[in-house]
Amino acid sequence: EPEVTQTPSHQVTQMGQEVILRCVPISNHLYFYWYRQILGQKVEFLVSFYNNEISEKSEIFDDQFSVERPDGSNFTLKIRSTKLEDSAMYFCASRQGYQNQPQHFGDGTRLSIL
Amino acid sequence: EDQVTQSPEALRLQEGESSSLNCSYTVSGLRGLFWYRQDPGKGPEFLFTLYSAGEEKEKERLKATLTKKESFLHITAPKPEDSATYLCAVPIQGAQKLVFGQGTRLTINP
Repeated sequence: EPEVTQTPSHQVTQMGQEVILRCVPISNHLYFYWYRQILGQKVEFLVSFYNNEISEKSEIFDDQFSVERPDGSNFTLKIRSTKLEDSAMYFCASRQGYQNQPQHFGDGTRLSIL
Repeated sequence: EDQVTQSPEALRLQEGESSSLNCSYTVSGLRGLFWYRQDPGKGPEFLFTLYSAGEEKEKERLKATLTKKESFLHITAPKPEDSATYLCAVPIQGAQKLVFGQGTRLTINP
């Protein structure tokens, strides 16, 4: 069964450094998302991406964050200057495109900021 | 504000002991509700989509139901492998970002 894959599974970075989280969505999906989950808290929406542009972003997704789909398969989340509070699990998800189709999630990248 | 609330936060059952998890929501213009299972250190795994009040979906020992204000996930004769956190989420209009509840951490003791 097709699945969303994310790399790396764990990333440890010094505060202030840039980090890029990578995702390969399911191949025939059209909508792409990033969510994060701080330990013990809800899964929360960061950004959605469709037709090569951001379609919606949350208040969390400030100028330090950016997303890109550099080719036909990868979808990346970049954090330019990491802060301690960016430590969380980051999940990528994709959706086929039909109305109300479920989003399918990868297993996440655990980001630890020191 | 669109909100999703799940109860209880944690539930411990004996193997074979049936129970229900609750998800209540306040969303304008509901466009469906999703149930996911999340194992420790993993991403949410899709279980069910419910579109309209009165709808039911089943998968093995799980059955999900939907009313106009809440959804229930019924678990019948659970096994230890059903231990996980169960999340419900509703899609919001537009790009259909998901708003999640905080989850119910279910533990099934053998």
